[in-house]
Amino acid sequence: IVMSQTPLSLSVTPGQPASISCKSSQTLLRSDGKSYLNWYLQRPGQPPQLLIHEASKRFSGVPDRFSGSGSGTDFTLKISRVEAEDVGVYYCMQSIQLFTFGGGTKVEIK
Amino acid sequence: EVQLVESGGGLVQPGKSLRLSCAASGFNFDDYAMHWVRQAPGKGLEWVSGINWDSSDIAYADSVMGRFTISRDNAKQSLFLQMNNLRPEDTAFYYCAKDISVFGVLASIEFWGQGSLVTVSS
Repeated sequence: IVMSQTPLSLSVTPGQPASISCKSSQTLLRSDGKSYLNWYLQRPGQPPQLLIHEASKRFSGVPDRFSGSGSGTDFTLKISRVEAEDVGVYYCMQSIQLFTFGGGTKVEIK
Repeated sequence: EVQLVESGGGLVQPGKSLRLSCAASGFNFDDYAMHWVRQAPGKGLEWVSGINWDSSDIAYADSVMGRFTISRDNAKQSLFLQMNNLRPEDTAFYYCAKDISVFGVLASIEFWGQGSLVTVSS
């Protein structure tokens, strides 16, 4: 399964929203009704950290300004109000057929 | 607190072998599947291999199939990656990662270690 993310990079003013798209080459929707798509943030010099799993479930401790949506092959990560600590590279990952990552979206602050 | 500490990385010549280790703590290691994920310097993420709780289900990326072997020792709360016939394109940070499922199956990746750098060069 091939994962495609857009845009490649994003420059956002603090307090403004941001949106990242992720598309998969095959459906990530399983018969249990769940879409197996995760979002991760990798801050500079750090390992990735899980933000969203199963397309829309916010992981423990993740601020509620992060939200995930979508089903099937089209997914979106939204940050309602970007903060300085949100800088880094965001990756989507499918887990319905082993594991494949998108190419990443670099978010920086204006 | 979940901790994953990788070790064993370093500089190795093409065609040689290296063994990575990952020491886990802060959770019931034998309840969870584990993974190795790599990242070439300045590049994106690539899943390498995963192993379920009792080693009965193991999977590899095509890029490492037949050269890398994942294993675990639940008594020692440790994960391993034996890497043989290394190539320059295997140069990367190798992350040990914990699965999210409490059923011990290969499901999704939840928590990552800090990584260990493997450099394959003559």
